[in-house]
Amino acid sequence: NAGVTQTPKFQVLKTGQSMTLQCAQDMNHNSMYWYRQDPGMGLRLIYYSASEGTTDKGEVPNGYNVSRLNKREFSLRLESAAPSQTSVYFCASSPDYELNEQFFGPGTRLTVL
Amino acid sequence: AQSVTQLDSQVPVFEEAPVELRCNYSSSVSVYLFWYVQYPNQGLQLLLKYLSGSTLVKGINGFEAEFNKSQTSFHLRKPSVHISDTAEYFCAVSDPGNTGKLIFGQGTTLQVKP
Repeated sequence: NAGVTQTPKFQVLKTGQSMTLQCAQDMNHNSMYWYRQDPGMGLRLIYYSASEGTTDKGEVPNGYNVSRLNKREFSLRLESAAPSQTSVYFCASSPDYELNEQFFGPGTRLTVL
Repeated sequence: AQSVTQLDSQVPVFEEAPVELRCNYSSSVSVYLFWYVQYPNQGLQLLLKYLSGSTLVKGINGFEAEFNKSQTSFHLRKPSVHISDTAEYFCAVSDPGNTGKLIFGQGTTLQVKP
């Protein structure tokens, strides 16, 4: 059981480049989430998917898009990266949104130059 | 809107001493409360959670927290810390039925010194 996996672990982009962060979970969870972590600000929700086939905006969605490809996979796309998107990105999953307990991946450290 | 405030950004403590990490939340409805721990260069791991019932919640690694509704607090405690407890700790609140979104505090870095 790998839990929640994220690829890549590290990435450096130039301003204006695009990329997709991948997330997969093997726990048969219904809900998945993308957060960004910045120093002194805790984790902030970017997008979430309460169940397969649905996605919704979180607290800081601007500049991002998501795709819930299937029950296992939830990707985050940066169409035109900006230095303000330099951050550590975490994916999480939860068995059911009502249970609220979330399981986190190891994170992707993204630097935008 | 819900919010979470962790009152200390850093807490230095000597090994084997007790520690309390403070968390206050604001919410107009019943909430679920969580404490997560993040070790260096890792993801977050659930320490403990309060959903309902007893206000004293026990978690992993000897940690416990007490839910105080009147003071809207959920402080984390450990009677005797170890070097290995050095990490960042996050308090989070979720609105039941609101698609499980978590609102995190800013984090508290626990520094355990020998």
